[in-house]
Amino acid sequence: QVQLQESGPGLVQPSQTLSLICTVSSGSIISGGHYWSWIRQHPGKGLEWIGYIYYSGISYYNSSLKSRATISVDTSKNQFSLKLSSVTAADTAVYYCARVVVTYFDSWGQGTLVTVSS
Amino acid sequence: QSALTQPPSASGSPGQSVTISCTGTSSDVGGYNYVSWYQQHSDKAPKLMIYEVDKRPSGVPDRFSGSKSGNTASLTVSGLQAEDEADYYCVSYAGTNNFYVFGTGTTVTVL
Repeated sequence: QVQLQESGPGLVQPSQTLSLICTVSSGSIISGGHYWSWIRQHPGKGLEWIGYIYYSGISYYNSSLKSRATISVDTSKNQFSLKLSSVTAADTAVYYCARVVVTYFDSWGQGTLVTVSS
Repeated sequence: QSALTQPPSASGSPGQSVTISCTGTSSDVGGYNYVSWYQQHSDKAPKLMIYEVDKRPSGVPDRFSGSKSGNTASLTVSGLQAEDEADYYCVSYAGTNNFYVFGTGTTVTVL
């Protein structure tokens, strides 16, 4: 069973860039048919898809983030990462990484809380 | 893209059944047989319970079942157990413009 683990700073200052890494274990990020995604959950609220990437580097994003999000992949480390620029308090959320089987999310990381505050 | 509409809460006694609805549009739920359901216990990561409307991943009890009619999908939990108390979210694939649309979430309480 593939496992995912998020890591990164828990506190980011307003207007700065949020950076998170997802490390994949017990499975290869270079696996056909799988995409690698970031999803967030605002405190006490529902879930929001941020974007996903294929191991080749092709990525797609939620248009509501207005091009602030960038997802990249490092196949040598079996990791993928998220950068979200120009953050505000509205970006405070638990960020999850997840594996995508085209139309659904079959494995999730435990999530990491990122707070945007000065 | 608007979120899929779910009832905020649902409840039932142990052994009873509860059904949660998930209403979208012809651009998401109604347009694809790609609705999935996730269970989220407090402060835990979501867990896949149903995919492609009515398929159960290995390890998910057959007490959980899914269906769809038109623009509305449903998750039914039969034989409610205390451990089923959690938040449930539906997700629909919505094509290559909007990709994934999440539901508003339903809190299931076992009385």
